[in-house]
Order: sequence, then C-alpha cells, then structure tokens
Amino acid sequence: SAVISQKPSRDICQRGTSLTIQCQVDSQVTMMFWYRQQPGQSLTLIATANQGSEATYESGFVIDKFPISRPNLTFSTLTVSNMSPEDSSIYLCSVESENYGYTFGSGTRLTVV
Amino acid sequence: AQSVTQLDSQVPVFEEAPVELRCNYSSSVSVYLFWYVQYPNQGLQLLLKYLSGSTLVKGINGFEAEFNKSQTSFHLRKPSVHISDTAEDFCAVILTNDYKLSFGAGTTVTVRA
Repeated sequence: SAVISQKPSRDICQRGTSLTIQCQVDSQVTMMFWYRQQPGQSLTLIATANQGSEATYESGFVIDKFPISRPNLTFSTLTVSNMSPEDSSIYLCSVESENYGYTFGSGTRLTVV
Repeated sequence: AQSVTQLDSQVPVFEEAPVELRCNYSSSVSVYLFWYVQYPNQGLQLLLKYLSGSTLVKGINGFEAEFNKSQTSFHLRKPSVHISDTAEDFCAVILTNDYKLSFGAGTTVTVRA
C-alpha cells in the first residue's frame, strides 16, 4: 500500500493567519482526500483532490477557507485560511491504494490561539 | 446516503479479556465495510475490510469482524486484548459505486492490567 508523508505534524498558529499542510505519496495516485477530525470526534471529509482539476468540496466546506492544490499525482496541499480557534483540529490526508485499501497520513494537529 | 453508527462510545476492558465493538450501518445500496484503528497521536491504520466473499473477515493484530447483511452490522471482535490495543477504533462504510468513506463516531477502547 502507499506510504504518505504528511507535514507539519503539529503547529500552533495565531488566529487570522493561514497554515499550509503538505502530503507526499510514494506512488502515483488519482485521488487524494482531506479530512478534519475535531477534538473527540470522528473524521469528516473536507474535499477530494484530483490532479489537473479543481477539488470537490463536501457540504459545509468552501474553497476560500480550505484551498487545495494538486500539482501532480504524488503531492497535495491543504491550506486552512484566516484561522479561528474553531479550526483547531487534526487534519489528515488519505489516498486509495489497491482494492479499497485507503491509507492515511499521520495527521497534522493544529491549535489556533 | 449511507450512515454508520457505533453503538459504544467507550469500552473499558481488562487485559486478556475479549472485546466486541458494535457497528451498524444504513444504506439503500451495497456497501464495503472497514474498521480502522487510531493509536494515540497517530494516523489511522486499517484493521480489516469486507468487500465480498466470506462474511467473517480476519485482520491484523488478532482482530476479526463479521458482516451480517440482515442486521446491517459489522461488529469487531478480539478474543484476548493487550494493553497495546488501547486506541480509538472507527467503523467506516463506502458505497460500492462510490469512493468516499463515511466514518462512525468512534469507540475508545481502554485496556487495563
């Protein structure tokens, strides 16, 4: 299965600023997924990122707040913009390996102060 | 749309005792089913998945789950737990004609000596 390198692993940010999270995959993948895990809660899909096209956002998430780049088949970034304390969460990227073997990055633990 | 319900938010268990984590799903079409484990401060790791075939699925670390279509359930079991099984476990579902995982709320398993 694919191996994902996600960074940063954690950050503490000031409200009003932006943070860009990177995910690098060791193989070419068509789709990459970005999730948010709020404290004590489950994972919620933010968007699906395909190379060469705009990301598809889930209900409740917008591109202005969570812009995503997908410049090639092994890399993607998620930016959390104009942050507020409510954005404090773990953000994870994921890819589909063969036969529905979804692999996840180790997560970025974001605290907004 | 599909949904996943994990019936137990917290499961305390003694070391070497058996454990069962309950998961029910709702969907009008066929689904694939997954269990993921999240150890403290880590990303998600696939424990096992059901795609087709035998309804009893064996996964890593001695875990197994049984797909019951009539009861729309996919309960996770382990006959004897270790301290290292202390983690958050998530049940997830995907429609067979889709690619987006939907997660349950999670079950916190705490193993005590």
